[in-house]
Amino acid sequence: SQTIHQWPATLVQPVGSPLSLECTVEGTSNPNLYWYRQAAGRGLQLLFYSVGIGQISSEVPQNLSASRPQDRQFILSSKKLLLSDSGFYLCAWSETWTSYEQYFGPGTRLTVT
Amino acid sequence: KNQVEQSPQSLIILEGKNCTLQCNYTVSPFSNLRWYKQDTGRGPVSLTIMTFSENTKSNGRYTATLDADTKQSSLHITASQLSDSASYICVVSGYNTDKLIFGTGTRLQVFP
Repeated sequence: SQTIHQWPATLVQPVGSPLSLECTVEGTSNPNLYWYRQAAGRGLQLLFYSVGIGQISSEVPQNLSASRPQDRQFILSSKKLLLSDSGFYLCAWSETWTSYEQYFGPGTRLTVT
Repeated sequence: KNQVEQSPQSLIILEGKNCTLQCNYTVSPFSNLRWYKQDTGRGPVSLTIMTFSENTKSNGRYTATLDADTKQSSLHITASQLSDSASYICVVSGYNTDKLIFGTGTRLQVFP
């Protein structure tokens, strides 16, 4: 069966510090991978998605970046965090293009102070 | 503009009671609509997925309906339990894309 992992579960970082969140998927090959952010009282916002190694599409301009160094690894990064980067970050995966279902990871709670 | 709106924003009910959550969308062309349950501090978990040709789908005590003509969906929870306390998110996908449009959710609290 497929599983998706995210870490860390919670993170408190000062403004201006770097960020690295990691997501890995097990039990599937060549998944579509997604990074979402959920701010308090807001719906999930798609940040990045990837259809393959090294292929990243950005949905919104921001100081975040994403990378996919391996087939089942997706990393969300920032060089300098802003207060507005605080939120709940979710990684998700789906099968290829025609899949109906996206499966979400447990999330990372980021607080920028 | 593709949007998904949910109501009510929050809801409190007593254990054992039924409730209905609403979702209106403007996504076009429409492909499918999903309802997710999200416990506090956890990732969303899928409850149901419906395509434009499906009017209703059940998953245990959860029953979702879809009216593709009026672009409305509802999620009915029967005989609520304390564990139903969560946010319920309506998500719509357009045709030929796997990008999802998320509603802001309904926060349900079930009290004993």
